[in-house]
Amino acid sequence: DGGITQSPKYLFRKEGQNVTLSCEQNLNHDAMYWYRQDPGQGLRLIYYSQIVNDFQKGDIAEGYSVSREKKESFPLTVTSAQKNPTAFYLCASSRGTESSYEQYFGPGTRLTVT
Amino acid sequence: GDSVTQMEGPVTLSEEAFLTINCTYTATGYPSLFWYVQYPGEGLQLLLKATKADDKGSNKGFEATYRKETTSFHLEKGSVQVSDSAVYFCALKPRAGGTSYGKLTFGQGTILTVHP
Repeated sequence: DGGITQSPKYLFRKEGQNVTLSCEQNLNHDAMYWYRQDPGQGLRLIYYSQIVNDFQKGDIAEGYSVSREKKESFPLTVTSAQKNPTAFYLCASSRGTESSYEQYFGPGTRLTVT
Repeated sequence: GDSVTQMEGPVTLSEEAFLTINCTYTATGYPSLFWYVQYPGEGLQLLLKATKADDKGSNKGFEATYRKETTSFHLEKGSVQVSDSAVYFCALKPRAGGTSYGKLTFGQGTILTVHP
């Protein structure tokens, strides 16, 4: 079955440590996205990539970094510079950036930093 | 910039009640509109979409009509079930061009709880 895999489902880190969240898709989609979700709020875009080896900052990119070396993979690193990293992180992909293309979401990773 | 406003929740209904969740948007041009659903602890699933004015998206008994004149995309269901309990997000994606190209803008989400 095609889909998006995020691992792990729960992740715990100490303050000051960088952590990388995994996102893999086998849908052959060109575009991939990272969102952050906080309780009672909608999703906010962190980074997105329209094609391999290219990515753009979203609305809240500070303290995060990404890479897109392969079409299938779009890992997100939460650095120690992110002031409030505890959140639910969602990865998504879509066939392209055309308006009518919907985004497909992974199951999410819940990151807790103490 | 683009924005989506959803009715404030949470919404609590009895089984078989009628559901309406209001959604209005602000965007340049004619965006595509989406409703996503999120069950507890999971990612988002696309519920339905509409890509042009007067289109009606429908799925699993849910419906929403793209109303350009009122910039709205309200979600409705005639008879809700306990299994419909979830968080519902309205979202828009702009047409080609501009700095928002390819990006989804989400509303804040509406929590729906359905009691037996």
